[in-house]
Amino acid sequence: DAMVIQNPRYQVTQFGKPVTLSCSQTLNHNVMYWYQQKSSQAPKLLFHYYDKDFNNEADTPDNFQSRRPNTSFCFLDIRSPGLGDAAMYLCATSRETGITEAFFGQGTRLTVV
Amino acid sequence: EDQVTQSPEALRLQEGESSSLNCSYTVSGLRGLFWYRQDPGKGPEFLFTLYSAGEEKEKERLKATLTKKESFLHITAPKPEDSATYLCAASSGGSYIPTFGRGTSLIVHP
Repeated sequence: DAMVIQNPRYQVTQFGKPVTLSCSQTLNHNVMYWYQQKSSQAPKLLFHYYDKDFNNEADTPDNFQSRRPNTSFCFLDIRSPGLGDAAMYLCATSRETGITEAFFGQGTRLTVV
Repeated sequence: EDQVTQSPEALRLQEGESSSLNCSYTVSGLRGLFWYRQDPGKGPEFLFTLYSAGEEKEKERLKATLTKKESFLHITAPKPEDSATYLCAASSGGSYIPTFGRGTSLIVHP
């Protein structure tokens, strides 16, 4: 049974057109993360939440925003996607930060045309 | 700044040919060292967590070990289904969130 679910699996958006990616979890974990992964690169952390506390990475562009309305759901908003934002976006959860493993969703592959 | 370096970037093996993947880390006070497997187009799948030097964990053909500076993922008698990218991540007292390496892409030929 999938424990971290991302929708959609594939998303095509137009240059500059806002897009929202969603993530839900059934694990009741405190921490939720959003990563960006480009081909043959390490996953790059964009944000994470510990419960409702939002933590933004210093180098995450302002174009990226996130919401966590409740424990189960988290959203990634890209306000004005550029061609450089085409990537796999991964959502993950963990019980705690840094000492327990992360559970990843299947990812959303974003294409910008 | 925490750093995680994986080598080699790519590895091709024949079925049954054992080998090791390396993960070198530079962090201030290791909290956890994580190994994940990632298949093409999918999210990473958790394999192991190691917390202190000398610790070892095994699962089927995989064995992870940890020293004060690096971790190894040993693959014994690999099969084609072991083909994947293997990611390493380390968390520290300075940055609780794990830093990922770029991964090793493993291909096992039948």
